[in-house]
Amino acid sequence: QSALTQPPSASGSPGQSVTISCTGTSSDVGGYNHVSWYQQYPGKAPKLMIYEVNKRPSGVPDRLSGSKSGNTASLTVSGLQAEDEADYYCNSYAGDYNWVFGGGTKLTVL
Amino acid sequence: QVQLVESGGGVVQPGGSLRLSCEASGFTFSTNNMQWVRQAPGKGLEWLAFISFHGTDKNYVDSVKGRFTISRDNSKNTLFLQMNGLRTEDTAVYYCVRDFDWGLHQWGQGILVTVSS
Repeated sequence: QSALTQPPSASGSPGQSVTISCTGTSSDVGGYNHVSWYQQYPGKAPKLMIYEVNKRPSGVPDRLSGSKSGNTASLTVSGLQAEDEADYYCNSYAGDYNWVFGGGTKLTVL
Repeated sequence: QVQLVESGGGVVQPGGSLRLSCEASGFTFSTNNMQWVRQAPGKGLEWLAFISFHGTDKNYVDSVKGRFTISRDNSKNTLFLQMNGLRTEDTAVYYCVRDFDWGLHQWGQGILVTVSS
């Protein structure tokens, strides 16, 4: 049950695109299409932004997109806006009713 | 509108016990898997426990196996987390989460558990 690997920080200017990676193993990210991404503002509960690698819940802007290649999943935020500044966490199913989160990435909008 | 409301948190001494509850509304609780996730102060999210919609399938992160028990009462739309043998490293905000379609779609507001002497 090792945590997925995310970069601690990422940044971009308004209007730019930023991609956050999430690296696991063939036992979690690489083995299942059950990767999800969460946005969290300080002092608030996390919010689901992407599930099943690339599906968006209703209300999540299409500026956010997800993908996966091998053992690495990615979250891309296009057309960066000030409101995108938050912490982002990836999560993957790891089999046998186990789940694992990434360490989190702090996204800064410059 | 989906609501998950946790209760039962507080301050407890090392070795003590607490029982968290999560009252669900706005969806058919009895047909949804549920999970607990926690977040230590200033740290990231940690998956804690899973329970299937019927309550027969359960699993836990290794660090709480044998100490924590997840359960549910579908007649009362309530999820529980019984925490025994609490350690200082269990200090965290605990979130009740609705697991739907392989995503953690709704989260409670979180409840703080502090383990300290």
